[in-house]
Order: sequence, then structure tokens, then C-alpha cells
Amino acid sequence: DIQMTQSPSSLSASVGDRVTITCQASQDISNYLNWYQQKPGKAPKLLIFDASNLETGVPSRFSGSGSGTDFTFTISSLQPEDIATYYCQQYANFPYTFGQGTKLDIK
Amino acid sequence: EVLLVESGGGLVKPGGSLRLSCATSGFTFSNVWMNWVRLAPGKGLEWVGRIRRKTDGGTADYAAPVKGRFTISREDSQNMLFLQMDSLKTEDTAVYYCNTHDSGDYPAPWVRDYWGQGTLVTVSS
Repeated sequence: DIQMTQSPSSLSASVGDRVTITCQASQDISNYLNWYQQKPGKAPKLLIFDASNLETGVPSRFSGSGSGTDFTFTISSLQPEDIATYYCQQYANFPYTFGQGTKLDIK
Repeated sequence: EVLLVESGGGLVKPGGSLRLSCATSGFTFSNVWMNWVRLAPGKGLEWVGRIRRKTDGGTADYAAPVKGRFTISREDSQNMLFLQMDSLKTEDTAVYYCNTHDSGDYPAPWVRDYWGQGTLVTVSS
């Protein structure tokens, strides 16, 4: 199975800060990577697909980059409504696997 | 409007069984592969399994922790997805989501990613 190592596991930042989360795959997954946002009691929401493509309707402050084994997710200017847990997910190989999540809160 | 609605969750004793359903509408269910994903208390998202569309064989794949105990099926005539869970363990306690995800590059990058609201399964004596 492909292991997805996501870091940090938690992050505290101020409104307006630039926030970066990384995800490393245990083997080459090309660009078969999604980034999800999940708020308590809600279903995951897709933000980024194929590593760098922004889902329709998602604010442009969210972005993703990377290919192969190393990926980055960035919020350019943190907003209060961005408080959530963020997950990367690979879908290059079965079984699809998620990173362990990054819980983001406001300082 | 796309809708996925899970049902069938509840409290069950270890070793028991439960069948979850996912009713879908707003897209062509028979054309898509479907997934089950779960979120256990205090843990992260975990992919449970998937089922192919009939034209791709209609077979299912499972994550190691549930293989041999869970069975995914579909009824395309009713736009329904199912998860039969047998020999349940306390560690199967989670919110279970049904999901479909598909993406492509032509004529421009596109994605179709739909989720239900989830149904809670609690395995406890």
C-alpha cells in the first residue's frame, strides 16, 4: 500500500497568514492527489484535484503543487472560515489512502 | 441537484451485522465507480472500498481492515449503493460516507466529486 505522510498534524496560525501543508507519498503517484477540507459534522469537501487543479467554486487562496512523491497545499491568506482538518489522498494505486490529516486553527 | 443520502447506521454489538444504503440522484449512477469512506472518532479519513461500474466488471475492492467482513454492492436500476458489514468490531465505529470521484483533462481539467452526509455506526456491547 502507498503510505501518505502528511505534516504537520496540527497547525495554529493567524488570520492573513500563509499556511503550508505537505504530503509525501511512499512511491511515485504522478499527480493523482486530492486535497480535502473537512469541518466537524460535515462531509469532506474537495479543494484541489490532480495535485494542482482548483475545484470549481473554491476560493483562489487555496492552491496545490507537486508531482511524483512530494506535494504541497497552500492557503495564501488564512481566513476564519478555513478552520478545519485538511487531508491529502492518493488515487494512483489501490487501495486509495489518505494522509493522517492536519488540524488547522486560529491563533 | 446531486444528492447522496446514506442510511442504515446505528448501534450494534461486536460480532453483529449492519447494512448501509446510499441513495443517489442527480447523476448517472450506472456510469460511475462508487466508494465508501469512514471517519472514526479521533481518527482520520479511511477509504473502505470501491465498486466498479458494470461496464468495468462491477467488482469491488476492499481495504485490508475490512476485507472478508464487508461487502459492497450496487443496484443500478434504483441508483443505490450498499455496504454489508458483518463480524463487526469496536474499531469499525465510525461515520460512513458514500462517495464518487472522477476526473479528466479534456477539453479542460474537470472533476466530479460527490459525498453523502454520512451515517454513524457504533459497535459496542
